[in-house]
Amino acid sequence: AQKVTQAQTEISVVEKEDVTLDCVYETRDTTYYLFWYKQPPSGELVFLIRRNSFDEQNEISGRYSWNFQKSTSSFNFTITASQVVDSAVYFCALSEAVSGGGADGLTFGKGTHLIIQP
Amino acid sequence: DTAVSQTPKYLVTQMGNDKSIKCEQNLGHDTMYWYKQDSKKFLKIMFSYNNKELIINETVPNRFSPKSPDKAHLNLHINSLELGDSAVYFCASSLTGPLDGEAFFGQGTRLTVV
Repeated sequence: AQKVTQAQTEISVVEKEDVTLDCVYETRDTTYYLFWYKQPPSGELVFLIRRNSFDEQNEISGRYSWNFQKSTSSFNFTITASQVVDSAVYFCALSEAVSGGGADGLTFGKGTHLIIQP
Repeated sequence: DTAVSQTPKYLVTQMGNDKSIKCEQNLGHDTMYWYKQDSKKFLKIMFSYNNKELIINETVPNRFSPKSPDKAHLNLHINSLELGDSAVYFCASSLTGPLDGEAFFGQGTRLTVV
């Protein structure tokens, strides 16, 4: 069975600090997808990134970067020069590819509550 | 235009009532989902529908039933509501198959059972 672990329940940093959110996953499939979502205080779920299991390239998008390492089953998320607006709950999620192109939902981690203090 | 919209945004009701939450997507996606987010923020999938066929049915009470009149809609019906059903319910949609993309989520429906 698939599983996503976000060991950090809550992280608090001062604005402009860099912060890394950890995500470790378990799956028996060789083909799978990893995601990060942001849930700000307003409650909506905002897609940040999707990565398939065959693409281990790290990705950078502005102040956001992601480090995917299959060897350690991790997909960590780093925010550089954090800002107060980054305060939110961040979810890591996993989707396994079902043979035949069927639909599979996302298995979410429990989320990391990130607090950026001014 | 909103990609995935669900109504209502807030729903307060008494125990024992039957209620529905509506969801519509205008993205042309093949698959729609319902997720439940509990008071601890834990998100768990409840159902998914692909081309009007139920693909996943997690172990949720049979008081919950998804209804899909067409590919763009997946409504959630809940019978005999209980206090423990209080949560935020999210609808989502995605493509399927090798080109599967991210799931787009609705804004959520906060259900409070009193």
